[in-house]
Amino acid sequence: QQQVKQSPQSLIVQKGGISIINCAYENTAFDYFPWYQQFPGKGPALLIAIRPDVSEKKEGRFTISFNKSAKQFSLHIMDSQPGDSATYFCAASRGNQFYFGTGTSLTVIP
Amino acid sequence: GAVVSQHPSWVICKSGTSVKIECRSLDFQATTMFWYRQFPKQSLMLMATSNEGSKATYEQGVEKDKFLINHASLTLSTLTVTSAHPEDSSFYICSAEPRTGEGADTQYFGPGTRLTVL
Repeated sequence: QQQVKQSPQSLIVQKGGISIINCAYENTAFDYFPWYQQFPGKGPALLIAIRPDVSEKKEGRFTISFNKSAKQFSLHIMDSQPGDSATYFCAASRGNQFYFGTGTSLTVIP
Repeated sequence: GAVVSQHPSWVICKSGTSVKIECRSLDFQATTMFWYRQFPKQSLMLMATSNEGSKATYEQGVEKDKFLINHASLTLSTLTVTSAHPEDSSFYICSAEPRTGEGADTQYFGPGTRLTVL
């Protein structure tokens, strides 16, 4: 059973637009929800993370929205830039049990 | 802070040889280190979880005798691919979870090691 479902698989956004990636999880015991950004040939880098006691967290152009009752969380990238083109992974964890989404390939076109 | 390094970044070896990949947490002590394998344009596949001083816990389907993991200290874990074959060619990524502090629940990833077995 896939613990974390991520969509869409790929996303193309115009420069300056908003990129939205969604994730849904199964286990209500998860207590930490990070997003990672991965460029080709590189390891994933922690982008932003949230805990279930808040509904939104913003860091610069990146915002996580968290809906505990729906067991969903999403990443919003405002004013998307070509440099944001990468693969994004969501994850859900409790302790050292991490479950990753399948990834979203984002392409921001100039 | 929270930097994880991997060495080597790229290795090519002949079939049948063994390859060792090192993973180091440079500025923090890691309670737990993880090893992942990633195929092109696919998600991360967890291979094993290791805690310092104890045996690694392998995921189902991962051969522990083929992928030897040693977590000798709070800052170093190694993955040895024994008797490598072309099907072992992949991108191997480690991550480390800080022992204490704000990032204690977070995994910080290394830059990855590209293994090509001829």
